[in-house]
Amino acid sequence: AQKVTQAQTEISVVEKEDVTLDCVYETRDTTYYLFWYKQPPSGELVFLIRRNSFDEQNEISGRYSWNFQKSTSSFNFTITASQVVDSAVYFCALSEGYTGANSKLTFGKGITLSVRP
Amino acid sequence: DAGVIQSPRHEVTEMGQEVTLRCKPISGHNSLFWYRQTMMRGLELLIYFNNNVPIDDSGMPEDRFSAKMPNASFSTLKIQPSEPRDSAVYFCASSRAGIAKNIQYFGAGTRLSVL
Repeated sequence: AQKVTQAQTEISVVEKEDVTLDCVYETRDTTYYLFWYKQPPSGELVFLIRRNSFDEQNEISGRYSWNFQKSTSSFNFTITASQVVDSAVYFCALSEGYTGANSKLTFGKGITLSVRP
Repeated sequence: DAGVIQSPRHEVTEMGQEVTLRCKPISGHNSLFWYRQTMMRGLELLIYFNNNVPIDDSGMPEDRFSAKMPNASFSTLKIQPSEPRDSAVYFCASSRAGIAKNIQYFGAGTRLSVL
């Protein structure tokens, strides 16, 4: 069975600090996808990134970067120079399979990030 | 392009009443997912459809819950009879099939309160 663990539950930082959100996953599949979603106070779930199990390259998008390490089954998310607008709940998720058809997401419990001015 | 559209956004009902939640997926998407979010259990999948066919309903709590997808542009999640423990935010998501296209996009959610 697949499992996603986000051990941090709440993080509070001051604006402009860097912050890393941890995600550890478990799966028996050799083919899988990892995702990060953001849930701002308004409640919607916003897709941030997808990474497949064959691509361990780190990715950077503006102030956001992701570090995928299969050796430690981790997919960590770093926000550089955090801003108040980054305050949200962040979810890591896992999807198994590579059949071309879609399959379900298994979510972690989420990390509540508060960025103080 | 319009995103996933859910209605209603908020629903308040009394225990024992029937509740119907609605979802319109993104045009061209052929997979549709229903999730429930609670403080205790987090985000959990209830059921999902591929090409209008239910694939996995193992997350549906009990027989009081049912979901249908009569066509590619509409799905319903029904709870009958509703109970206070059904209070949660229900999300619908859709995605396209294909190796590079399995990103799920979520609707704004329906916040259900059963009194």
